[in-house]
Amino acid sequence: SQKIEQNSEALNIQEGKTATLTCNYTNYSPAYLQWYRQDPGRGPVFLLLIRENEKEKRKERLKVTFDTTLKQSLFHITASQPADSATYLCALEAPGGSSYKLIFGSGTRLLVRP
Amino acid sequence: GAVVSQHPSRVICKSGTSVKIECRSLDFQATTMFWYRQFPKQSLMLMATSNEGSKATYEQGVEKDKFLINHASLTLSTLTVTSAHPEDSSFYICSARTSHSYEQYFGPGTRLTVT
Repeated sequence: SQKIEQNSEALNIQEGKTATLTCNYTNYSPAYLQWYRQDPGRGPVFLLLIRENEKEKRKERLKVTFDTTLKQSLFHITASQPADSATYLCALEAPGGSSYKLIFGSGTRLLVRP
Repeated sequence: GAVVSQHPSRVICKSGTSVKIECRSLDFQATTMFWYRQFPKQSLMLMATSNEGSKATYEQGVEKDKFLINHASLTLSTLTVTSAHPEDSSFYICSARTSHSYEQYFGPGTRLTVT
């Protein structure tokens, strides 16, 4: 079955540094991958979508890469700020088709120290 | 744009009673709505997918008679937890997508506590 792995340990970094989060997947080849931010007690918020034929996508301080050979996506936040502290989830389209279902990783918690 | 609301945000009910949660897309028409549950420090688990005017498609292991989903219009879906038990206590989140995008827009979630 499909498996999505995100580092379950919290990532703790200093304000101003670049945060890099990893999402690895196995057993299939999704056409696209998405990243979401989730704050405690809230629903996730969509950040970025990257397609299988795109190597990299940027949005303001965010950058996502998608390596279909390694089956890995990296999510970068440059010039990180304490307000970036949250849990970041990667999500892949579920295999099999037309229902546009997503499978979510367990998320990585990011803590940005002032 | 792309705002999804959920009501109520929190609900406490007694074991054996039923609870209805509403999910609305406020500024767009949702082709498909999804219902998830999330336990503390765990990821979102998809419960069911619903398309307006048709029966919901439930994920394996989700009891359709216990978790009733109605998607009566392009802006409203409801989840009814019937005969709730303490093990149904969880964070329930809905999401919606349009016909021309892959991303999902999530509601703020509903915290259900069954006593």
